[in-house]
Amino acid sequence: QVQLRQWGAGLLKPSETLSLSCAVSGGSFFGNHWTWIRQPPGKGLEWIGESDHRGGTDYNPSLKNRVTISVDTSKNQFSLRLTSVTAADTAFYYCARARYGDYMGQGTLVTVSS
Amino acid sequence: EIVLTQSPGTLSLSPGERATLSCRASQSVISSYLAWSQQKPGQAPRLLIYGASSRAAGIPDRFSGSGSGTDFTLTISRLEPEDFAVYYCQQYGSSPYTFGQGTKVEIK
Repeated sequence: QVQLRQWGAGLLKPSETLSLSCAVSGGSFFGNHWTWIRQPPGKGLEWIGESDHRGGTDYNPSLKNRVTISVDTSKNQFSLRLTSVTAADTAFYYCARARYGDYMGQGTLVTVSS
Repeated sequence: EIVLTQSPGTLSLSPGERATLSCRASQSVISSYLAWSQQKPGQAPRLLIYGASSRAAGIPDRFSGSGSGTDFTLTISRLEPEDFAVYYCQQYGSSPYTFGQGTKVEIK
């Protein structure tokens, strides 16, 4: 059974950097796309970006200058880094396998507040 | 960027009734790379359908997807109490991959 477990800081100040990680167990890390999605409280879903297992990435242009997704194949983990956060980045962040999220992490609420 | 428009915004139905949810794309979705997910309060989205019509693992056969090009449909043949939730469509054929705004299926 594939499982994704995510973790990271839940409270940030404006201009700080958001960092989240996601560990994959129960399935192959190779041959898949690893995705981050976010959802502001009470609102809809937004695709942030993805990486394949070789580190090839694709990002949402709305975030492109601030976002980095990286993979660590030795640990079966991938990570999200979003710089210069503002209140608009307050959201539930989910890691997922595949572009359509056949398996997802439990979600992390990240709040940006001074 | 492909814009997905879901209708209706809210669907009020009774258990046992049939639910039909629509997702319309602003451009043709490549290779029918269209997925449907269900989200309940406080939970992560759960994948129901991918490739427009393929059910994800463990999804009951009362859920079915159809469509191609720009028009897609999710049908729930007979609503069970646990099916009342918000449903999202997502296209993953053209980056950036985008979601519809959601359809809430509520108990009438």
